[in-house]
Parts: sequence; C-alpha cells; structure tokens
Amino acid sequence: NAGVTQTPKFQVLKTGQSMTLQCAQDMNHEYMSWYRQDPGMGLRLIHYSVGAGITDQGEVPNGYNVSRSTTEDFPLRLLSAAPSQTSVYFCASRGSDRGAYEQYFGPGTRLTVT
Amino acid sequence: DAKTTQPPSMDCAEGRAANLPCNHSTISGNEYVYWYRQIHSQGPQYIIHGLKNNETNEMASLIITEDRKSSTLILPHATLRDTAVYYCIVNRGAGNMLTFGGGTRLMVKP
Repeated sequence: NAGVTQTPKFQVLKTGQSMTLQCAQDMNHEYMSWYRQDPGMGLRLIHYSVGAGITDQGEVPNGYNVSRSTTEDFPLRLLSAAPSQTSVYFCASRGSDRGAYEQYFGPGTRLTVT
Repeated sequence: DAKTTQPPSMDCAEGRAANLPCNHSTISGNEYVYWYRQIHSQGPQYIIHGLKNNETNEMASLIITEDRKSSTLILPHATLRDTAVYYCIVNRGAGNMLTFGGGTRLMVKP
C-alpha cells in the first residue's frame, strides 16, 4: 500500500490565484480530513469527510472547499489564495471499523502565497 | 473534546527512558487518550491510545491514572530518532477528527 499520498509537495502561489491540493489513499478508508499547520503550531482541522458524498467543516474552513466523489480521493481547493494561507497542509485518513483508531497522515504539501 | 496540557519541551539522554506527561483533567468517560508524534515537519505518526487501562505496544507504553485525569507516555529506550514533537490528544474515537495542541518537543541527546 502507498498509504496516503499528497501532491504537490511544494507550491508557490500569488495572491488571488486558485489551486487544488490532491490527496489520495489506497486503504479503503471512509474517513478523510485536511489539516493545516502554521510554523511552530499544532495542526488545525480544515474540512473532513466521513464517506463519499459527505463532507463537513472543521475548525478553520474559510477560504477552502472540499468534495468527496470517491472513497480514494479528497481534494482541497483554495478559492482565492491569501498570504494567511501560507502553511503546510496535511491530509489524513482512517477506517470506520470499530477498532480503527489510528489516523494515517500524508507527507504534506508546503504552500507559500506571496 | 477535552483539553490537554503538556510541557512545551523536554530533554532525554539517549538510551534512557523518556517519560512524557499529559494532563487532561476534564476528560469524559467515553474519551480516549491518543498519542501521536511528528518528526521534523513530517506527517504525524500514531503511537498508542488507551481508555482506562495501561497499554503497551512495540513503540511505547501508556500509563493512565486511575482517575483518568492524566497520563504518561513512556519511550523505554529513547534513541536520537525519537527526537520529535509529541502530541497528547483526547478524543471520543470513532468518527471524530483530532484536535492538536502545542505538544511537547522531545530532544534526545547523545
């Protein structure tokens, strides 16, 4: 299994540009989520999904959109990039089984908005 | 989810046990204690979790006090590769996303 993969690894955007961060998992996990991590801080939840077609907002959803058309993919869209969105973005997934406690994280996408 | 309190940083000598404390005095009866770590800006890695009983796996041991208001993660023989930020998280488990605090930055020194 490749686990959770994220593309791109690095991205530089100009203010106002839009882009999509890709996330895919090959573990057939129902739950997927996006976090952002600012320098020296812990992770904050942006959006999450409990299954295909079902998404919900996390702690810091403004400026981001998500959709979940398949179990495997959970893309994060930045609508109009702002310097405040400069951060490292992590995607995570976990199973929905009763004993599935572990979340698996991707390697992250490092985004800079100028 | 209950809030957790961890020391911001700790040092440990290589080969010695690292004991990382966490306070979660407002934990509810159905909330688990999870530990994750993050090595140098990589994605966080699950270590261990527990509800009431002490737990041990190949990475670490988790000791939860009887009143469940605090816990300790123990890395029995710390190595340089254990240098990381360790996050203690309290969470209801299935279906719930994680809330990360500031964590403890553990520095393992030769």
